[in-house]
Amino acid sequence: KAGVTQTPRYLIKTRGQQVTLSCSPISGHRSVSWYQQTPGQGLQFLFEYFSETQRNKGNFPGRFSGRQFSNSRSEMNVSTLELGDSALYLCASSLVGLDTGELFFGEGSRLTVL
Amino acid sequence: SQQGEEDPQALSIQEGENATMNCSYKTSINNLQWYRQNSGRGLVHLILIRSNEREKHSGRLRVTLDTSKKSSSLLITASRAADTASYFCATASYGQNFVFGPGTRLSVLP
Repeated sequence: KAGVTQTPRYLIKTRGQQVTLSCSPISGHRSVSWYQQTPGQGLQFLFEYFSETQRNKGNFPGRFSGRQFSNSRSEMNVSTLELGDSALYLCASSLVGLDTGELFFGEGSRLTVL
Repeated sequence: SQQGEEDPQALSIQEGENATMNCSYKTSINNLQWYRQNSGRGLVHLILIRSNEREKHSGRLRVTLDTSKKSSSLLITASRAADTASYFCATASYGQNFVFGPGTRLSVLP
């Protein structure tokens, strides 16, 4: 069974640009959640999608957005990038949702904002 | 607000020794999970313990949960160099965000 796939793995952007990250969950998993990991703030929850609907959202500005497609693949977008957005962005999928089941993580997308 | 808080922040032990990490949280939970992360990689799920369970084992891992004290501990027995990683606890509650603690960085020296 293929794991969670995140693309791209590494990317470099400049301030003011926007970025789109992609996540393909494990087949059959309907929940996809996103996290930002930085040395200073640790792992922070961004949002969760379940069957194309956003179920929960963390405390991030509106520049951070996401969506989920009918095949459960998810994308997150960050607009008007700031230096502080440099981070490892992790996606996780779950069969039943992140409030009851275990999460399976991808390897992450490492974003550097210059 | 931060839910899970691991303690200690860093732990260094010799191979073969046991490693114990603690996690405290603030509100009621549905379950508590432990994850491992090797440097810069994705997280790997280790074990999930539900709020009505007190202890769970998986191989060399033993997790306890004390809901009255809002705390959990992860014990890794007979540690190996390959156990070197960061360990995170995460709490899950119905309708709430999934919250990770800051993690414990474990170094197992050969």
